[in-house]
This record gives sequence, structure tokens and C-alpha cells, in this order.
Amino acid sequence: QSALTQPPSVSGSPGQSVTISCTGTSSDISTYGRVSWYQQPPDAAPKLIIYDVTNRPSGVPDRFSGSESGNTASLTISGLQPEDEADYFCSSYTSGDAWMFGGGTKVTVL
Amino acid sequence: QVQLVESGGGVVQPGGSLRLSCAASGLIFRNFGIHWVRQAPGRGLEWVAYISPSGGEKFYADSAKGRFTISRDNSKNTLYLQMNSLAADDTAVYHCARDRARSYFDFWGQGTLVTVSS
Repeated sequence: QSALTQPPSVSGSPGQSVTISCTGTSSDISTYGRVSWYQQPPDAAPKLIIYDVTNRPSGVPDRFSGSESGNTASLTISGLQPEDEADYFCSSYTSGDAWMFGGGTKVTVL
Repeated sequence: QVQLVESGGGVVQPGGSLRLSCAASGLIFRNFGIHWVRQAPGRGLEWVAYISPSGGEKFYADSAKGRFTISRDNSKNTLYLQMNSLAADDTAVYHCARDRARSYFDFWGQGTLVTVSS
């Protein structure tokens, strides 16, 4: 059960777009389509922001969007806001009835 | 609203045991699978275990197999994690999280800190 691969950090100025990648294998992302993304501010619990690759829960701003291509899922934040500064984690269901997380990406708003 | 509140964390010596609890409210507990997910200090999230709504199915991460046991009491709206043979790398904040469609985790508790140290 290896972790999904995310870049350690990304940054952007307010109003810009940033994209976080999440790379897995044929045993997870590309097979099941059960990719989700979580936002975690410092000293807070994770919050679901994208589920099943592209879906946003009620209350999550539409500047957050998800996509997938092959073994890589992506989270894009369009129109970056100061309050978007946080750690972001991807997750995927994987074969053998298990779930995996990425190592996390720190988003910095310059 | 859905609330998940973990308890039972603390400091334990290597090789020791601890039982964590997760009290649920604001949901029909018996209808949902629940996970334990942990986060070591300054590190990422790691899935630990899952239990189905009835408790009939249980799945574990390789790091938990043989040492941790997940269980639930639907009459008390409470989830448990019995942890044995604890080691330093089990030190983490342990969160419980509600499962949806065996795909994602839509509500999380704040977590309880487990520190394994002599």
C-alpha cells in the first residue's frame, strides 16, 4: 500500500490558478474513479472538497475543480484566494479493499 | 449536524495498548461505514481501518493488520479502535471519518493524539 504522489508545495498570487497533481497506479486512480480531495488548514481536521474525481459537495466554492487523466488526478484552484492557503491531500480507493492518501501539497498564496 | 468526537488518546509506552473511541451524533450511525485515519506530527494522512455499517466487514492497512482491531456499538453510536503492540511510529493524531460509497470521507472528527514514548 504505497502512497499517492503529490508535489510538496505549489504557490500563486491572488486571482491566479494553481493545479495539484496526484499520481497513482493502475490499481487505484484509473481503475476505480474513486478519487477525492481534502483541504486541511493548520491545526484543523481535513475537509472534503472534491469527491469521485469531479464532484463538489454543497458549500464548496466552484473555483475548486477536479479532473483525471490515466493514473493522475488533478485539483485546480481557479482565482486563488488568501483563505485557500492550506494543505491539500488526494485520496483513492485501491484494490484489496483499502484506501490511500497522497503525501500532501502545501498551497501558499503569495 | 454530523459530529464525530474522538477520545482515548494519551501517552503509552512502546509495546503497550490503547483503546480509542469515536462518539457520533447528528446521523443515523448504523447506516454508515466509518474509517480511522491517522496523521503523524507534521506528516500526511494515512488510512488505518474501515468497518461496514453492520460491523460485518472490516478492512485494515498493512501497518495495522494483526495489531489493531476496529469495532462498533450501534446501540451506543460509538466506534472503537483497539491498538496493541504500539510502536513509536504509531504516534499520530487519530481521526474517525464517515464513509460514503466506499469512496470518500465526508465528515471528520478533530482527532485524538496518541504518543508512544518511553
